[in-house]
Amino acid sequence: AQKVTQAQTEISVVEKEDVTLDCVYETRDTTYYLFWYKQPPSGELVFLIRRNSFDEQNEISGRYSWNFQKSTSSFNFTITASQVVDSAVYFCALILNQAGTALIFGKGTTLSVSS
Amino acid sequence: KAGVTQTPRYLIKTRGQQVTLSCSPISGHRSVSWYQQTPGQGLQFLFEYFSETQRNKGNFPGRFSGRQFSNSRSEMNVSTLELGDSALYLCASSPSNRGHGYTFGSGTRLTVV
Repeated sequence: AQKVTQAQTEISVVEKEDVTLDCVYETRDTTYYLFWYKQPPSGELVFLIRRNSFDEQNEISGRYSWNFQKSTSSFNFTITASQVVDSAVYFCALILNQAGTALIFGKGTTLSVSS
Repeated sequence: KAGVTQTPRYLIKTRGQQVTLSCSPISGHRSVSWYQQTPGQGLQFLFEYFSETQRNKGNFPGRFSGRQFSNSRSEMNVSTLELGDSALYLCASSPSNRGHGYTFGSGTRLTVV
């Protein structure tokens, strides 16, 4: 069975601090996709990034960066120089590349950035 | 282009009633999935429709049902509402291949009293 674990329930930082959100996943399949979503208070899940299991390249997008390591089954997300607008719940998710599967979400990490 | 539209945004229903939620996917997207989000259980998959056919179903009782129309719009129905059905119901659309990712709507917050 597949599983996604986000061990950090809540993180509080002060503006301009760097913060890393951890994500560990479990699957025996070799082909899968990993995602990060942001959920602001409005409720909508905002897509941040998608990674397939064959692409271990790290990615940077502005202040956001992602570190995918298959050896440790981790897909961590770092926000550099955090801002108040980054305050939200962040979800890591996994889906297998086969029919009959659905997104499996972690429990989420609530990030609070204070000024 | 327009995003995923869910209506209504908020609903208050009485235990025992039934409710219908609507989701309009992004134009051209043929897959619509539904998720339930509660503080205790987190985000849980309800079902997925593709070209009017249910392609996948989560572990929810038969009171939860859905359908998809020829224009890809989807509805989900919950009959005989229970207090525990209070949740944020999120709809996601995708072109077809799960590797493309999913775009979510703002959700419908259902409160059962």
